[in-house]
Amino acid sequence: DGGITQSPKYLFRKEGQNVTLSCEQNLNHDAMYWYRQDPGQGLRLIYYSQIVNDFQKGDIAEGYSVSREKKESFPLTVTSAQKNPTAFYLCASSSANWVAGQLTYEQYFGPGTRLTVT
Amino acid sequence: GNSVTQMEGPVTLSEEAFLTINCTYTATGYPSLFWYVQYPGEGLQLLLKATKADDKGSNKGFEATYRKETTSFHLEKGSVQVSDSAVYFCALSGSGTSYGKLTFGQGTILTVHP
Repeated sequence: DGGITQSPKYLFRKEGQNVTLSCEQNLNHDAMYWYRQDPGQGLRLIYYSQIVNDFQKGDIAEGYSVSREKKESFPLTVTSAQKNPTAFYLCASSSANWVAGQLTYEQYFGPGTRLTVT
Repeated sequence: GNSVTQMEGPVTLSEEAFLTINCTYTATGYPSLFWYVQYPGEGLQLLLKATKADDKGSNKGFEATYRKETTSFHLEKGSVQVSDSAVYFCALSGSGTSYGKLTFGQGTILTVHP
């Protein structure tokens, strides 16, 4: 089955520790994304990557870091510099398709990781 | 920049009632529009999409029409079921070199009672 996996589903850390969230996809998608979800605020983009070894900051990149060494994998590290790290983190991937002369993307999401930092 | 505004929630309906969740957007060019659904404790699932003006996206009884003149993409369903209870997100992907980045509305919680 093709899809996106995120592990673990629940993660607990002490304040001041870095933590890495895993995201793997076997959809052969070029682009991958990380979002953060907080209650009542929708989803906000942290980082995205269009190709291997390249990534760009999203709207709320401070306190986070990523790498894209393989097409299938896009791990997110939540560093101790992130002031409010407790949240639900969602990974997504997409491929580009031409539809009616327009380049469109359709994102597919993983099941998410709920991180709690105390 | 791009933005998406959804109607205030939560929305509570009885089974078989008609559903409308309003969504309006601000974007330059010709964005693609999406509705995603999120069940408790899960990731988002793509519900439907539209890529150009007057397109109608539909799936599982849900429909939404891309209205460029009113910059809207309202979600409708004629008869909701208890199993439709979830959070619904409207989103857009800008045209040009946005590389598929999605801008989301804040989400609308739908609860359907038997």
